[in-house]
Amino acid sequence: GENVEQHPSTLSVQEGDSAVIKCTYSDSASNYFPWYKQELGKRPQLIIDIRSNVGEKKDQRIAVTLNKTAKHFSLHITETQPEDSAVYFCAASKVLGDMRFGAGTRLTVKP
Amino acid sequence: ETGVTQSPTHLIKTRGQQVTLRCSSQSGHNTVSWYQQALGQGPQFIFQYYREEENGRGNFPPRFSGLQFPNYSSELNVNALELDDSALYLCASSPEGPNEQFFGPGTRLTVL
Repeated sequence: GENVEQHPSTLSVQEGDSAVIKCTYSDSASNYFPWYKQELGKRPQLIIDIRSNVGEKKDQRIAVTLNKTAKHFSLHITETQPEDSAVYFCAASKVLGDMRFGAGTRLTVKP
Repeated sequence: ETGVTQSPTHLIKTRGQQVTLRCSSQSGHNTVSWYQQALGQGPQFIFQYYREEENGRGNFPPRFSGLQFPNYSSELNVNALELDDSALYLCASSPEGPNEQFFGPGTRLTVL
């Protein structure tokens, strides 16, 4: 089955700096790659997603890149703010929609 | 917040007991997925239901079972509870296929 690996497990940045989180997946049939943000005690919420027919997608300070050949995708957050502090999860999904998550990255943005 | 609801919010059970968790999907969604999230880990896929049929299953034993009803709400049943079953159980609804999944608030299960 699909295996998603995520790095780093923890990331600490200074406010205003950029943060990059990387994920790899194993199943070349995966074609949908969302990123979720989970704050303490809350449900995961989608922040951005990308499909396999697109190489890059941007939404204000957040961008995702996908390299299908290498089977990896990355989340980029620019101009980080303290409210960006949370756990971020990448995921990969195939045609049927069963989604496999990475282990998560705890991002801390220091004021 | 999403339109996905789960009940109960918290539950305490003892080893060997059985539990049923419930999920109401968001309007217009015909697919419900269930996940187990242990503390400090990512959600682990249990199974997915699409139009009342199991549509995929993760690496969980048969004592984890489910149902989906005609209104697309769903239940997760766990028999013979073990201590390691203690976790946050999340359901997520979505339109069919690989699309954004909208998560419910979760049910925190504690097995003593």
